[in-house]
Amino acid sequence: DAKTTQPNSMESNEEEPVHLPCNHSTISGTDYIHWYRQLPSQGPEYVIHGLTSNVNNRMASLAIAEDRKSSTLILHRATLRDAAVYYCILRDQGAQKLVFGQGTRLTINP
Amino acid sequence: DADVTQTPRNRITKTGKRIMLECSQTKGHDRMYWYRQDPGLGLRLIYYSFDVKDINKGEISDGYSVSRQAQAKFSLSLESAIPNQTALYFCATSETGQGKDQPQHFGDGTRLSIL
Repeated sequence: DAKTTQPNSMESNEEEPVHLPCNHSTISGTDYIHWYRQLPSQGPEYVIHGLTSNVNNRMASLAIAEDRKSSTLILHRATLRDAAVYYCILRDQGAQKLVFGQGTRLTINP
Repeated sequence: DADVTQTPRNRITKTGKRIMLECSQTKGHDRMYWYRQDPGLGLRLIYYSFDVKDINKGEISDGYSVSRQAQAKFSLSLESAIPNQTALYFCATSETGQGKDQPQHFGDGTRLSIL
């Protein structure tokens, strides 16, 4: 499985945008970039995924570098409820498992 | 109501006991998965199923078995529990790929402690 690198922790303020980085220099052409988050005492929650183009949904935006070796999850206006561990995961379309690394623990200050 | 429901939410039991964890879903998805999460670590895949009676081993299947008798239900069994199986267990579902990469949807987990 291709490896991803994320900062261990980040901190931001409520109602401000948050940019969560992920490096994946060994990504292959068929790897999708997935983001999940895990709130305390809950299961992982799907956030967004993409292959080459930037993606937007109601939760977040995903910006993918042109060479695909890095990506950024953007929360446009953080709320206290966004405090969670965020996982950046590469998954080949044919693979069945999601390989969760350590993730980034995001703290949101009121 | 939750789309992916796991029961029980918490269980404490003794070494050597047989334990079954249940997962049911109302999403109508064909694919179901069992993962375990250990403190400070990511999730690891135990077993997965693409359809009723289809069973596939994940990366850490030893000591576990599963059953998929209906589309909506996927159960995980520990035939003879041991302390290092103490962990948080998650069930997940996804749609069939059909040329697209599909996200997985997780339950809220079962916290299992084996004494």
